[in-house]
Amino acid sequence: EADIYQTPRYLVIGTGKKITLECSQTMGHDKMYWYQQDPGMELHLIHYSYGVNSTEKGDLSSESTVSRIRTEHFPLTLESARPSHTSQYLCASSETTGLRGPLHFGNGTRLTVT
Amino acid sequence: GENVEQHPSTLSVQEGDSAVIKCTYSDSASNYFPWYKQELGKGPQLIIDIRSNVGEKKDQRIAVTLNKTAKHFSLHITETQPEDSAVYFCAASRNTNAGKSTFGDGTTLTVKP
Repeated sequence: EADIYQTPRYLVIGTGKKITLECSQTMGHDKMYWYQQDPGMELHLIHYSYGVNSTEKGDLSSESTVSRIRTEHFPLTLESARPSHTSQYLCASSETTGLRGPLHFGNGTRLTVT
Repeated sequence: GENVEQHPSTLSVQEGDSAVIKCTYSDSASNYFPWYKQELGKGPQLIIDIRSNVGEKKDQRIAVTLNKTAKHFSLHITETQPEDSAVYFCAASRNTNAGKSTFGDGTTLTVKP
């Protein structure tokens, strides 16, 4: 069973506010990811990290930023939320050593910007 | 880059029937193919995976088949139950840890009691 936690589960916030979505994992995985999931359920990679102090932009352009100061923690920040940021955000991690393994996902944060 | 196509986008079956979801991929170097199940209000969870040196893998009522020549792989669920209702995603990636996964667009499976 995956040990990856996202908070909050739901967030409703007004336009222009700064928000941080939290993601933590206790599996010691070096690789972590943020996906945005739209209402059609497609998964879009917006950020990933291969380890501490490593962050890369994903395939889908996003106005959010991420940081990786500790192995277990990969927060996502929106400096000024807009209604277009309304979506489900999923955090995931994967092992680094050995053969490629699966992604372990958290249960997501559903963000609504009014 | 890799492109993964998944069909059908929605699938409705009667309880007890079989369900099949198919995916094709474009990158011949891809050799790791996981399937995820996403239930309402949860993140996707791995249900089965297959590597390119294997043609078929089974785990109780679910199985995955891989045809590397044709670059397609399929998920088979037998004796479906209402609790199998969920969104299913296929994915493809290279068998190294430097690569990213490419996901299909998902299949919403509904099992009618």
